[in-house]
Amino acid sequence: AQSVTQLGSHVSVSEGALVLLRCNYSSSVPPYLFWYVQYPNQGLQLLLKYTTGATLVKGINGFEAEFKKSETSFHLTKPSAHMSDAAEYFCAVSVRGYSTLTFGKGTMLLVSP
Amino acid sequence: DAGVTQSPTHLIKTRGQHVTLRCSPISGHKSVSWYQQVLGQGPQFIFQYYEKEERGRGNFPDRFSARQFPNYSSELNVNALLLGDSALYLCASSAIGRGQYNEQFFGPGTRLTVL
Repeated sequence: AQSVTQLGSHVSVSEGALVLLRCNYSSSVPPYLFWYVQYPNQGLQLLLKYTTGATLVKGINGFEAEFKKSETSFHLTKPSAHMSDAAEYFCAVSVRGYSTLTFGKGTMLLVSP
Repeated sequence: DAGVTQSPTHLIKTRGQHVTLRCSPISGHKSVSWYQQVLGQGPQFIFQYYEKEERGRGNFPDRFSARQFPNYSSELNVNALLLGDSALYLCASSAIGRGQYNEQFFGPGTRLTVL
């Protein structure tokens, strides 16, 4: 079975500051890893994914994440926060060969002017 | 092209009632998955259907059931509603159900409130 732990239910940053959202996973087989963003009253939008190959993956809106197998981590970063980044972010894992997702509990990103 | 659509957008039911939620996948997608997102939590997997057959089931009681139709749309049914069933129900479609990675595209969800 797989699981995801997101450290910090809320993260607050100032506009222009570095964004770091933490995600650790557990999987008995090589995982696929994802970050999704959810704006209020909306569904989930894929930010980026790691499947195979390069461990540093770039996504939309300037976000990127690095797969670190030794640390079982897939932290999400953005060099400079924008007000429009305020949303809830979910890390998710799936098993290769399947497309169903196991999600973390989410981290709410708050961006102040 | 239209994305994943879900209906209704909002629904209010009382305990003990039954509810049917509907999902239309992206054109060409043959797999539909359902997730439950309780307030303050991440989505939890309920069912996956591919080519009208159930291909996966999460840890939910038998009050939850689903089906997929020949046009690949899907229904999620919940019987004997409990207060704890109040949640956002998300539908996701993908090109195929398994065998290789296929991105899941999520709909906007149906917000179910049980009173």
